[in-house]
Amino acid sequence: EADIYQTPRYLVIGTGKKITLECSQTMGHDKMYWYQQDPGMELHLIHYSYGVNSTEKGDLSSESTVSRIRTEHFPLTLESARPSHTSQYLCASSWPEGAITDTQYFGPGTRLTVL
Amino acid sequence: QKEVEQDPGPLSVPEGAIVSLNCTYSNSAFQYFMWYRQYSRKGPELLMYTYSSGNKEDGRFTAQVDKSSKYISLFIRDSQPSDSATYLCAMNSGGSNYKLTFGKGTLLTVNP
Repeated sequence: EADIYQTPRYLVIGTGKKITLECSQTMGHDKMYWYQQDPGMELHLIHYSYGVNSTEKGDLSSESTVSRIRTEHFPLTLESARPSHTSQYLCASSWPEGAITDTQYFGPGTRLTVL
Repeated sequence: QKEVEQDPGPLSVPEGAIVSLNCTYSNSAFQYFMWYRQYSRKGPELLMYTYSSGNKEDGRFTAQVDKSSKYISLFIRDSQPSDSATYLCAMNSGGSNYKLTFGKGTLLTVNP
């Protein structure tokens, strides 16, 4: 079982609030990812990191930002939450550098509701 | 056209049935194929991965890839109520590209 943790699991907040979703992994994986998942839709990659101080935007445009100061930690921040940000946010990490396949392991997700 | 197409179901079967879940894809560069299982209100968990064409078996699960048809399948034998979940296919081209492209997922219910 993968050791990747997300907090909080559920968050209900008002419009305009700043929030940070936490993601940590203890496997020493270099690569980490944030996905957005809406009911009945594909997982969409919104951010990824190949290592410390490396962050890139994913395929789906997002108003969130990420940072990667430590290998094990990849937080996602929304400066001003809006109802359109309501979704499930999934964090994942994958095998260290040099692996031939990208076997990603997911955390339990944060379900965000913005009122 | 989406790169990966997956019938969202829902699919409902009796316990003990053989289940077939399928995805088609359009990008001929895809070489690595994964199946994830996602229980309600949980993150996806990796079930199996395969490289290129052929079959791979793990217990009651068999993953099959047909690159000539751009078609992948996951078979579940002797299905159990605990198999009730959403099954997601995912794939990438490997090499320096570690990003995955996912299907929408198929919701499976196995009735006791």
